[in-house]
Amino acid sequence: GAVVSQHPSRVICKSGTSVKIECRSLDFQATTMFWYRQFPKKSLMLMATSNEGSKATYEQGVEKDKFLINHASLTLSTLTVTSAHPEDSSFYICSARGTDREGTEAFFGQGTRLTVV
Amino acid sequence: QKEVEQNSGPLSVPEGAIASLNCTYSDRGSQSFFWYRQYSGKSPELIMFIYSNGDKEDGRFTAQLNKASQYVSLLIRDSQPSDSATYLCAVKSSGGSYIPTFGRGTSLIVHP
Repeated sequence: GAVVSQHPSRVICKSGTSVKIECRSLDFQATTMFWYRQFPKKSLMLMATSNEGSKATYEQGVEKDKFLINHASLTLSTLTVTSAHPEDSSFYICSARGTDREGTEAFFGQGTRLTVV
Repeated sequence: QKEVEQNSGPLSVPEGAIASLNCTYSDRGSQSFFWYRQYSGKSPELIMFIYSNGDKEDGRFTAQLNKASQYVSLLIRDSQPSDSATYLCAVKSSGGSYIPTFGRGTSLIVHP
């Protein structure tokens, strides 16, 4: 399957600070990357879709000013959780759609466990 | 609202038995169906996908799709303790979206 890498895998931050999570497509070019959030014992919920070189599209109920997404290249998208609060603690996962490979969006990065204290 | 329903479990089976995981979906236009395995603290790993009615087998795993009943299942033969995980069902519609809708997952416990 397609290789998507996330970094960091785990981060603990203080309330009020910002945290940046990276998602990289390692063996293909990704025009679109997808950011999900998963709370304990809950399903994956799509937060936003980022397109290379343009603004991200956010799902209903997701604050775009809080979850900043940048997709500056065909292999990298970043999600920045700004002014994090304990309720932002969650598991964040990305996937990516390749320009010349179908079905890559079915494969996820390793995920980032964010804990806000 | 597109919905994907799974029994949260846990489903407990003895080692060597067949584990049967079920999923129903609400969108009749759904075209693609995925099963993921997710270990605690890890991201989901794609196990199988199925597009057509009937069975699809891959090793110990068999996916079964019945579009008329809007039902997809995953059978795991010769279950092993290492199969203990949460299994997520995901369904993608034909509307052009790349994003599937996920169920909440079924927790499977395979005990020795």
